[in-house]
Amino acid sequence: NAGVTQTPKFQVLKTGQSMTLQCAQDMNHEYMSWYRQDPGMGLRLIHYSVGAGITDQGEVPNGYNVSRSTTEDFPLRLLSAAPSQTSVYFCASSLTPSYTTEAFFGQGTRLTVV
Amino acid sequence: DQQVKQNSPSLSVQEGRISILNCDYTNSMFDYFLWYKKYPAEGPTFLISISSIKDKNEDGRFTVFLNKSAKHLSLHIVPSQPGDSAVYFCAASGGGDMRFGAGTRLTVKP
Repeated sequence: NAGVTQTPKFQVLKTGQSMTLQCAQDMNHEYMSWYRQDPGMGLRLIHYSVGAGITDQGEVPNGYNVSRSTTEDFPLRLLSAAPSQTSVYFCASSLTPSYTTEAFFGQGTRLTVV
Repeated sequence: DQQVKQNSPSLSVQEGRISILNCDYTNSMFDYFLWYKKYPAEGPTFLISISSIKDKNEDGRFTVFLNKSAKHLSLHIVPSQPGDSAVYFCAASGGGDMRFGAGTRLTVKP
């Protein structure tokens, strides 16, 4: 079982560049979300989706866009990368909103913005 | 504002002994709590959870205790094994929100 697959695993961007972090899950989960992990901060929710065509903002949404055209895919777009977006990004999916059931996480994408 | 705090960034215990990881929260709307374990270069994986209607939940070597009046929960691992060495995140949810703590790095020495 693939579970949640994130690509790429590592990425270096220059300030101002844009890119898309890919996330796909094969568990038919309705709920998907993106988090960033920074030292001393834990995981912070960027955006989430409760189903295809529905997205909403989390705790730290600025500088990021998402869309959910299919149940399986939930890409995260950085519009104009900034050094403050250097972080490790995790995509997660769950049967229901992660709040009351376990979430399954991808392996993460380590992004460095120079 | 950090609504979920794990005040110990690291913890080291001897194999076979008990590991106790602590977590405090401030938001009284939180009513469901989860622990995740994370190995290097991997995503977090679910470990155990507890609802606010309980004060204890056990799963094998792992037990989570919840003290609602103190807004405190703890994860006990007995006996600790070297394979338990990882970063443990506490998460609290409720009122349409979920927050994670910063994590505690547990090292279990053989």
